[in-house]
Amino acid sequence: QQQVKQSPQSLIVQKGGISIINCAYENTAFDYFPWYQQFPGKGPALLIAIRPDVSEKKEGRFTISFNKSAKQFSLHIMDSQPGDSATYFCAASMTWWKAGSYQLTFGKGTKLSVIP
Amino acid sequence: DGGITQSPKYLFRKEGQNVTLSCEQNLNHDAMYWYRQDPGQGLRLIYYSQIVNDFQKGDIAEGYSVSREKKESFPLTVTSAQKNPTAFYLCASSISLSGANVLTFGAGSRLTVL
Repeated sequence: QQQVKQSPQSLIVQKGGISIINCAYENTAFDYFPWYQQFPGKGPALLIAIRPDVSEKKEGRFTISFNKSAKQFSLHIMDSQPGDSATYFCAASMTWWKAGSYQLTFGKGTKLSVIP
Repeated sequence: DGGITQSPKYLFRKEGQNVTLSCEQNLNHDAMYWYRQDPGQGLRLIYYSQIVNDFQKGDIAEGYSVSREKKESFPLTVTSAQKNPTAFYLCASSISLSGANVLTFGAGSRLTVL
């Protein structure tokens, strides 16, 4: 019930293409869905996040699409650039007053390589 | 600049030795975490602390210990009981924004057991 399943494990996209990473969850009590970006040798950093009361959120070239009925959400990177090459993690959590803690449940990550 | 400082960045240890990884934050966050990262395994929670002098085991706490004597500091000790300690260790802290748990990570410490 606490798992977040992420796919694909790795992704190769040509420069200018669209990168799509998918995540699925089981626990319907989750109500916060962030994406983190991690460059090699660095810690992850928050990229973009969504709440289930909206179906899409866009920040620059990055868009989260959220399908509450299917319990799925995805990250779309438009016009992918070599500088986007990184590992991306989806995550989910409940607001702390529901969960009694601040824990995030992470997917296993997707290694994105954008080739020139 | 506010952030999380992890040290050392690289650490080598002989089998049978304990080692302590440092994590300090100046973000005034209440909650702090330790994650372990292995290739293909994602981020696995070792321990977390929501307030000073209190901490909880995560999913893979065996062979690890922590303390939280100050709000700013959350050191992790990798003991000799940890069977496979070679990994990348990430410390994080978080703040609740409108109930959402927003994590800030440090740059990580890479531990290699020789």
